[in-house]
Amino acid sequence: KAGVTQTPRYLIKTRGQQVTLSCSPISGHRSVSWYQQTPGQGLQFLFEYFSETQRNKGNFPGRFSGRQFSNSRSEMNVSTLELGDSALYLCASSERLRTGTGELFFGEGSRLTVL
Amino acid sequence: KQEVTQIPAALSVPEGENLVLNCSFTDSAIYNLQWFRQDPGKGLTSLLLIQSSQREQTSGRLNASLDKSSGRSTLYIAASQPGDSATYLCAVWSGANSKLTFGKGITLSVRP
Repeated sequence: KAGVTQTPRYLIKTRGQQVTLSCSPISGHRSVSWYQQTPGQGLQFLFEYFSETQRNKGNFPGRFSGRQFSNSRSEMNVSTLELGDSALYLCASSERLRTGTGELFFGEGSRLTVL
Repeated sequence: KQEVTQIPAALSVPEGENLVLNCSFTDSAIYNLQWFRQDPGKGLTSLLLIQSSQREQTSGRLNASLDKSSGRSTLYIAASQPGDSATYLCAVWSGANSKLTFGKGITLSVRP
């Protein structure tokens, strides 16, 4: 069974640009969540999608957005990039249980550098 | 607001030692707790998932326990090996805000 696939793995952008990251979950998983990891703040929850609907959202500005397609693949977009957006962006997939999330499986991440 | 704390931030032990990594959380109304391992520059690898109704889970040399009433979980690693060197993170899924909250992690170094 293939794992969670994130693309691209590395990218460099300049301030003011926008970026789109992609995540393909494990087959059969309908929940996809996104996280930002930085040395200072650690891992922070961005948002979660389930069956094409955003279920939860973290405390990030509106420049961060996402969506999920009918095949459960998800994308996240960051507009008007700032230097502080440089981070490892991680995607995780899981089965969505009635009592919250099941076991989370992470991709290798997309390393974004903003110059 | 759920807060997850992992202390110490770093730990260095000689090979073969049994060790315990701690995780504490402030809101005991959790659905589950999960332990992860992260190697430098990599994603997270799931180690163990403990549902709120469970007290412990075991996988190979790893054993994780959960005490919701005291807001604590421990990850026990038996007979540590240099290959265990990594950052270990715990995360709790809280029903109150319906999201996963991570600790900052413990960076473990096992010396040969």
